[in-house]
Amino acid sequence: AQSVSQHNHHVILSEAASLELGCNYSYGGTVNLFWYVQYPGQHLQLLLKYFSGDPLVKGIKGFEAEFIKSKFSFNLRKPSVQWSDTAEYFCAVRGSNYKLTFGKGTLLTVNP
Amino acid sequence: GAVVSQHPSWVICKSGTSVKIECRSLDFQATTMFWYRQFPKQSLMLMATSNEGSKATYEQGVEKDKFLINHASLTLSTLTVTSAHPEDSSFYICSARGTSGELFFGEGSRLTVL
Repeated sequence: AQSVSQHNHHVILSEAASLELGCNYSYGGTVNLFWYVQYPGQHLQLLLKYFSGDPLVKGIKGFEAEFIKSKFSFNLRKPSVQWSDTAEYFCAVRGSNYKLTFGKGTLLTVNP
Repeated sequence: GAVVSQHPSWVICKSGTSVKIECRSLDFQATTMFWYRQFPKQSLMLMATSNEGSKATYEQGVEKDKFLINHASLTLSTLTVTSAHPEDSSFYICSARGTSGELFFGEGSRLTVL
């Protein structure tokens, strides 16, 4: 069975700080990896995804993530966060059965 | 992107009553929809996979008689929480799979059972 682990429950940063949210997964086969964001009061939105190819993927709003197969990791990064990035971030893995398994989420608070 | 709409977004009901939550794909057809449950400060847990025209596939530990899922058309899936109890209070989220394989999520439905 697939599983996802997000290391940080709550991250607090000041504007312009750099961000890295950790995500590790376990799955025996080929995986698709995702980061979703949930802004306060809104539904889940896809930030970025990795299916194959270049392990460094770029998403919306300046976010990127790097797939490191040897470490089973898919960490999310942003060089300079903004107050509007305050949200909950979920890492997810999808196996061949199309079922998504989510991590527990990381709440990011960006102070102005 | 494609839009998935859930209704109601917030519902409060008395213990013992049944509640129906609808999930609609507004501008695309979804042969597969997924229902998730999210507890406070926890992850989204997949409850079941809903396929149009066939019975839903439930995840281990999810009571199929408690959580009735119907996927009557390519744009509508419903989740009915039967004989709801306070422990069923949660945030229920659906997602629909588009033709590209991407999943689109509804805004979620918060159920509070008194």
